[in-house]
Amino acid sequence: EPEVTQTPSHQVTQMGQEVILRCVPISNHLYFYWYRQILGQKVEFLVSFYNNEISEKSEIFDDQFSVERPDGSNFTLKIRSTKLEDSAMYFCASSDRGALGYTFGSGTRLTVV
Amino acid sequence: QKEVEQNSGPLSVPEGAIASLNCTYSDRGSQSFFWYRQYSGKSPELIMFIYSNGDKEDGRFTAQLNKASQYVSLLIRDSQPSDSATYLCAVKSGGSYIPTFGRGTSLIVHP
Repeated sequence: EPEVTQTPSHQVTQMGQEVILRCVPISNHLYFYWYRQILGQKVEFLVSFYNNEISEKSEIFDDQFSVERPDGSNFTLKIRSTKLEDSAMYFCASSDRGALGYTFGSGTRLTVV
Repeated sequence: QKEVEQNSGPLSVPEGAIASLNCTYSDRGSQSFFWYRQYSGKSPELIMFIYSNGDKEDGRFTAQLNKASQYVSLLIRDSQPSDSATYLCAVKSGGSYIPTFGRGTSLIVHP
């Protein structure tokens, strides 16, 4: 069964450092998303991406965040200057029909120290 | 602010019983409703979605939607210990392609 692949599975970074989280969506999917889940909290939407541009973003997705699809297969989330409160599980998701039936990746656990 | 509310639980049921998970939402314009299962430390996995009032069945799972009362529920028949997980309700309004997730209900099925 096709799956969304995320790397790394766990990233530890120092506060103020830049991190890039990587995702390879399912190949025929056209819609891509980043979500995060702080431990014990709800899954929170960050950004959606379609047709090589951001289609929606949440209040969380401020100027410290950016997304890119550099080569037609990877979909990345960059956090420019990490804060302690950025520590969370970050999930990439993709779908072939808008917000119907996401497939989530296995997640990257980001720990900011 | 669109709210999706779920009882955090845990809901504990014996093996073989019916587990009933509930979700209420605040936005009357909501159109699509999703149930995800999330095992501890894992990513959410879509179980089913429902758009129309009434029941939708898929195997041991039944989603029930009542738009007038603004709630959606998930019934799991013949619950198994492997069903033990957190169940997330997600609701999409007409004004956005992006569903809002609830905090989830923890289900424990004990042998």
